[in-house]
Amino acid sequence: KQEVTQIPAALSVPEGENLVLNCSFTDSAIYNLQWFRQDPGKGLTSLLLIQSSQREQTSGRLNASLDKSSGRSTLYIAASQPGDSATYLCAVQDDYKLSFGAGTTVTVRA
Amino acid sequence: EPEVTQTPSHQVTQMGQEVILRCVPISNHLYFYWYRQILGQKVEFLVSFYNNEISEKSEIFDDQFSVERPDGSNFTLKIRSTKLEDSAMYFCASKDRISVEAFFGQGTRLTVV
Repeated sequence: KQEVTQIPAALSVPEGENLVLNCSFTDSAIYNLQWFRQDPGKGLTSLLLIQSSQREQTSGRLNASLDKSSGRSTLYIAASQPGDSATYLCAVQDDYKLSFGAGTTVTVRA
Repeated sequence: EPEVTQTPSHQVTQMGQEVILRCVPISNHLYFYWYRQILGQKVEFLVSFYNNEISEKSEIFDDQFSVERPDGSNFTLKIRSTKLEDSAMYFCASKDRISVEAFFGQGTRLTVV
C-alpha cells in the first residue's frame, strides 16, 4: 500500500524567504506526482504535476522536483508572500487513484 | 475554462438519513472519482468509476456507499444511512482518456448531526 509522508507538518517563515516542502512515498511505481494547495475549509487547487518520466516542473515562483527511484519530491516556493499561506498537499498516482500526504501547513509572516 | 461542479457546497443531515452528493464532471471526461477528507485528516480515495462500473474502491467504500452515473452529465455518491463519522468534505474528480491529470471539484461539506 502506498504511503505518502510530508515533512515538516508545519512551517512558519518571514516574507521573502524561500520555502522547501518535502514529500516521500514508499512505492516508486507511480504514474505521476501532483502538488496541491488547500486553503482552510476549501477545495484542492492543483499547482504542479510531474509525470514519472520527468524530473521537475516549474510554474512562476514554484518549482517541483521528482526523484522516483528514491521516492522523493520537493516543492520550492521562491520569495514567499503572505498570500502563500496555506496547506500544501503532495499526491502520487497509481493505476486508479491518488494517494495523498497529510500536508505541510505554511504560514508566511508579513 | 471547463470545471468540475459539485452541489450542494454544504449539506447537513440527520444520522441515519440517506444523502446524495452530486457532481457534474467535465463534459468529455470518462473517468470519475470520489475522495473524502475528514477534518484535520488526509484526503482519502473512495472509488473510481469508468465505463459505467466501479474500477477500484477503498476499504472505506462499504455497502453503505454507492455511485451512479444516472445520465450523461451527473455522477453521484449516495450514502444510505449516514453516521456521525461520515462527516467530511467530499471531492469529486474527473479525467479524460488522454490526460494524466484528474480535475477536482470544490467539494461538498457533509455534516451529520
